[in-house]
Amino acid sequence: GAVVSQHPSWVICKSGTSVKIECRSLDFQATTMFWYRQFPKQSLMLMATSNEGSKATYEQGVEKDKFLINHASLTLSTLTVTSAHPEDSSFYICSARVGSGASDTQYFGPGTRLTVL
Amino acid sequence: AQTVTQSQPEMSVQEAETVTLSCTYDTSENNYYLFWYKQPPSRQMILVIRQEAYKQQNATENRFSVNFQKAAKSYSLKISDSQLGDTAMYFCAFMRNFGNEKLTFGTGTRLTIIP
Repeated sequence: GAVVSQHPSWVICKSGTSVKIECRSLDFQATTMFWYRQFPKQSLMLMATSNEGSKATYEQGVEKDKFLINHASLTLSTLTVTSAHPEDSSFYICSARVGSGASDTQYFGPGTRLTVL
Repeated sequence: AQTVTQSQPEMSVQEAETVTLSCTYDTSENNYYLFWYKQPPSRQMILVIRQEAYKQQNATENRFSVNFQKAAKSYSLKISDSQLGDTAMYFCAFMRNFGNEKLTFGTGTRLTIIP
């Protein structure tokens, strides 16, 4: 149980284009999902918290107009990188929150590698 | 704000040996959770083990166990009978027990199991 998928697993795009990344909880409903960014050999950096049916909460320093997050259903959250530039190249990971109280845990998707040319 | 510190950037150990990864954290909270996540070369984050701060007993999952010292704010991970598949980045993480809380990650320890 608690499987999270991401699509695509990797994407290459031209500078100036927009890219959408999907995060799905396959066998459970997730009212809360999280989006992270990870640079090579570094830890995960939280970008935003995505709540179903409401606006995402962005971390300080993350441009909400550049990284659009939509949590349209209890099993799907999307991250759209708008007008992508080479500096947006990174590994993007989503997670979904499962359970509450003592069982509150995050399960992670396999990640999406974005390369902007 | 919470901080998580992993002071060992890299470690290596022979296969079948035991290794302990260190993690310390700083918080003023009394009710929280601690986690160890593993990130192998595939980069898929995998939950290894978790601990509730209100529990005195250390969590154990097969070959993985933790030494939770609440007063010292220490949460180390012990891997017994290490296997080649244990080679990965290991991240310690903290989460407050307040509803929609986020994970705060440490910088990670790269563990290599030597055949």
